[in-house]
Amino acid sequence: NAGVTQTPKFRILKIGQSMTLQCAQDMNHNYMYWYRQDPGMGLKLIYYSVGAGITDKGEVPNGYNVSRSTTEDFPLRLELAAPSQTSVYFCASSLEGTSGDTQYFGPGTRLTVL
Amino acid sequence: AQSVAQPEDQVNVAEGNPLTVKCTYSVSGNPYLFWYVQYPNRGLQFLLKYITGDNLVKGSYGFEAEFNKSQTSFHLKKPSALVSDSALYFCAVRDQTGANNLFFGTGTRLTVIP
Repeated sequence: NAGVTQTPKFRILKIGQSMTLQCAQDMNHNYMYWYRQDPGMGLKLIYYSVGAGITDKGEVPNGYNVSRSTTEDFPLRLELAAPSQTSVYFCASSLEGTSGDTQYFGPGTRLTVL
Repeated sequence: AQSVAQPEDQVNVAEGNPLTVKCTYSVSGNPYLFWYVQYPNRGLQFLLKYITGDNLVKGSYGFEAEFNKSQTSFHLKKPSALVSDSALYFCAVRDQTGANNLFFGTGTRLTVIP
């Protein structure tokens, strides 16, 4: 049981490049989330999904896109990378998304945009 | 709107001494509160949560947290600190609208001095 996995661990992009951050979970969780963590700040929600085929915006969605074709996978797409997207990105999942449900996090992807 | 505040960026404590990491919250309904720990270059690990019931919540690695409704606080505690407890600690509150995501504090860096 690997939990939540993310690839790559590190990436450097040039301004205007695109990339996809991969996230997968093997816990059969319905809810999945993407957060970003900026230095000295807490995590902020980018996008979330309540199940396959259903996604919605979080607090800071601009510059990102997501898809959820399967229960297991929830990739995050950056179309035109900007320096403001330099951050650490965390994927998380939870079983049902109810108020008491615990979110489990992946190890993160550290992205630098130059 | 839900939010949490961690008033201390840094907490230093001697090994063997009790430790407290502070968190206060603001919610419009019942609070659902969480503590996570982040070790260097790692993802967030769940420590404990308060949903309802006993105000003293016990979690992983010997940590516990005390929920205080009148003071709107949820402080993390441990009776005897270990050097290996040195890490970044995040308090979070559950969003009780559609996303059910977590709103995080800015984090408190705990250093346990040998």
